Amino acid sequence: GAVVSQHPSRVICKSGTSVKIECRSLDFQATTMFWYRQFPKKSLMLMATSNEGSKATYEQGVEKDKFLINHASLTLSTLTVTSAHPEDSSFYICSAHLRGSQETQYFGPGTRLLVL
Amino acid sequence: GDSVTQMEGPVTLSEEAFLTINCTYTATGYPSLFWYVQYPGEGLQLLLKATKADDKGSNKGFEATYRKETTSFHLEKGSVQVSDSAVYFCALSGIYNQGGKLIFGQGTELSVKP
Repeated sequence: GAVVSQHPSRVICKSGTSVKIECRSLDFQATTMFWYRQFPKKSLMLMATSNEGSKATYEQGVEKDKFLINHASLTLSTLTVTSAHPEDSSFYICSAHLRGSQETQYFGPGTRLLVL
Repeated sequence: GDSVTQMEGPVTLSEEAFLTINCTYTATGYPSLFWYVQYPGEGLQLLLKATKADDKGSNKGFEATYRKETTSFHLEKGSVQVSDSAVYFCALSGIYNQGGKLIFGQGTELSVKP
């Protein structure tokens, strides 16, 4: 089956630093990757849609200058949380849309970010 | 806009009990509907899906039927196991799809006791 990995699985950083999270589709090409944020006991909130070779599309209320997304290849998208603050602490999940598939998304295992 | 509403959790059941997790949706046209499961410490996995009215999705003993008249997609299982303990998310993919964009419900935590 299609596999999506995320790295790192968890990260602790100091306030004011930047953190990069990688999302990779390991055995398929993903024209589109999605980035979600999940709060405790809450649903997934879509942050942005990342298309290979073009700028990401951000959801309303998501700061594009704070959450930088790059989708440099068909198998890799990165999310950089810039100048992180404690309120950015969360569980970040990516998913990859299988190229040629109508609606299937495959999810990564998530990255736990803690900003001190 | 499109939205999904699930029953509040947590749901606690004994092993072999019958499970129903309610899900209703609001959408333009006829979306595709999904149930995803998230086991502790893991990412989301697609459990089942239905792409048109009256379709029944099924997997691992779980079932859900796409009911257009009631805009519902309730998840059911006849006999739950401890290993079914997880968070379950109902989701829809809108008519315009937007490259597979999903809208999720708030999730329902299921805990199955031996």
